[in-house]
Amino acid sequence: KQEVTQIPAALSVPEGENLVLNCSFTDSAIYNLQWFRQDPGKGLTSLLLIQSSQREQTSGRLNASLDKSSGRSTLYIAASQPGDSATYLCAFYSPGFQKLVFGTGTRLLVSP
Amino acid sequence: DAGVIQSPRHEVTEMGQEVTLRCKPISGHNSLFWYRQTMMRGLELLIYFNNNVPIDDSGMPEDRFSAKMPNASFSTLKIQPSEPRDSAVYFCASSPQESYGYTFGSGTRLTVV
Repeated sequence: KQEVTQIPAALSVPEGENLVLNCSFTDSAIYNLQWFRQDPGKGLTSLLLIQSSQREQTSGRLNASLDKSSGRSTLYIAASQPGDSATYLCAFYSPGFQKLVFGTGTRLLVSP
Repeated sequence: DAGVIQSPRHEVTEMGQEVTLRCKPISGHNSLFWYRQTMMRGLELLIYFNNNVPIDDSGMPEDRFSAKMPNASFSTLKIQPSEPRDSAVYFCASSPQESYGYTFGSGTRLTVV
């Protein structure tokens, strides 16, 4: 069974800190990896998509990297803000599974 | 682009009643997915369609659940009869192709009492 683990499960930081969320997976044959955020009671918002041939993607204060050989992806959030508080989910597509496989999520709280 | 549109946003129904959830994918997206999210199980893929054809329905919990995609712009997920354990948030997502970036709708929060 494919395992997708996100560490930490929960994180609480003061505003302004730079932080790293981790996602690890056991299938090195993944095709692409996508990071989402989910606000309480809301749907999933796509943040970054790293395609098979890429190693990282950046959008504003967010940077995501992908290392297929080690089975890891990281989401870096610079200068965190209270508005960043949400649950962050990584998900990958693997030809073997033919579907998006979701991680367990990291619940982030940024305090003013 | 209005994104993936789901209706209704909230649904409260009595056990035994039929429930129909609706989804309009992003125009031009060939793949459509139905997910269910609960606290206990997280996000579960129920079924997905490619070019309106169901490809994998192995995640559909039981025969009470059925899904259709009569055309490229509309899909339904039906539960008949509904049970309290079906209470969850149901998400629809679409993508240009099954292996590419997904866009999710806002979800339908279903409560079966």
